[in-house]
Amino acid sequence: AQSVSQHNHHVILSEAASLELGCNYSYGGTVNLFWYVQYPGQHLQLLLKYFSGDPLVKGIKGFEAEFIKSKFSFNLRKPSVQWSDTAEYFCAVGGVDYKLSFGAGTTVTVRA
Amino acid sequence: GAVVSQHPSWVICKSGTSVKIECRSLDFQATTMFWYRQFPKQSLMLMATSNEGSKATYEQGVEKDKFLINHASLTLSTLTVTSAHPEDSSFYICSARGGLAGVNEQYFGPGTRLTVT
Repeated sequence: AQSVSQHNHHVILSEAASLELGCNYSYGGTVNLFWYVQYPGQHLQLLLKYFSGDPLVKGIKGFEAEFIKSKFSFNLRKPSVQWSDTAEYFCAVGGVDYKLSFGAGTTVTVRA
Repeated sequence: GAVVSQHPSWVICKSGTSVKIECRSLDFQATTMFWYRQFPKQSLMLMATSNEGSKATYEQGVEKDKFLINHASLTLSTLTVTSAHPEDSSFYICSARGGLAGVNEQYFGPGTRLTVT
């Protein structure tokens, strides 16, 4: 069975600060990795995904994530956050059966 | 493209009644649809996997007789919460696999807030 661990429950930071959210997973086979964002009152949206190839993945809205296989990690980063990045962020891992396991989520609050 | 809708967006029902939630892929044919449950301030938990024309596969601990799933077509899946009780109150989210991005990506619906009184 696959599992996902997100390190931070709630992150508070100021605009223009850098953001890094940790994600570790456990899974015995080939994994597909995802970061989703859920803005207040909205549905889940895909930020970025990793299936194979370059372990540094760039997504929408200036986000990127790095897959480090040896550490079973897929951390999300953004160099300079904006107030509009206030949201809930979920890391997810999918296996060959396409089922997704989600981490507990990290609430990011960006103060203007 | 790749839009998934859910109906209703929220519903209040009395204990003991049944509620049906629809999930539609609007502009693509979904190979598979998934149903999740999300408690306040918590993550999504997969309830079941639904393939068109076949029985749904339920995750461990999910009562299949309580949460009936019907996948009538490649664009529609329904979740019926039977004999609902207050503990079934939750946010139910569906996702659909398919579309232009291929089979590895899921697109999520906006969710349905169920409150059982």
